Amino acid sequence: GQSLEQPSEVTAVEGAIVQINCTYQTSGFYGLSWYQQHDGGAPTFLSYNALDGLEETGRFSSFLSRSDSYGYLLLQELQMKDSASYFCAGSKAAGNKLTFGGGTRVLVKP
Amino acid sequence: NAGVTQTPKFQVLKTGQSMTLQCAQDMNHEYMSWYRQDPGMGLRLIHYSVGAGITDQGEVPNGYNVSRSTTEDFPLRLLSAAPSQTSVYFCASSFRDNREKLFFGSGTQLSVL
Repeated sequence: GQSLEQPSEVTAVEGAIVQINCTYQTSGFYGLSWYQQHDGGAPTFLSYNALDGLEETGRFSSFLSRSDSYGYLLLQELQMKDSASYFCAGSKAAGNKLTFGGGTRVLVKP
Repeated sequence: NAGVTQTPKFQVLKTGQSMTLQCAQDMNHEYMSWYRQDPGMGLRLIHYSVGAGITDQGEVPNGYNVSRSTTEDFPLRLLSAAPSQTSVYFCASSFRDNREKLFFGSGTQLSVL
């Protein structure tokens, strides 16, 4: 099977940096996606790592190491609006269905 | 461009009732899927479709049926609602070769009493 583990909650102050780790157990794993979901809202796509290494998109970066079965999402220069839940999601093969982790709730304090 | 549209936004059912959650997308996406989200949990895949006339089961398909007669529409049917099906349901779509980037509808909050 395929399971993705994330911390349940992280708290940080405005302007800080937060790293959300995602570890997984699967074979033939292909890539890792990240989604953001505000309370009461729908998940929205943030990033996708098809290859090992770091992908940067503005204040957010995502990293993947398939040899370590590990990835992370890095949120820099935290803002209040970044308070949300963040989900990693994996696919077992290119273009296959996505399996989501349990999500990490990020709380940004003033 | 409406994106992914789900109806209704809220629904209350009694145990044993049946109903259909509607999902439509106008982005010409081949791939459509249904997830459920329970408090404090991630999203679990119920059913998915890679194109009109093709559907398959996800992680938690029991108690749900789907069909895909057109590219645009992917309704989810609850055959006989149970309290365990109380959840928030999300429909999502993507291009067939970019399934890692899902576009989600706004969700349906379903309560089964």
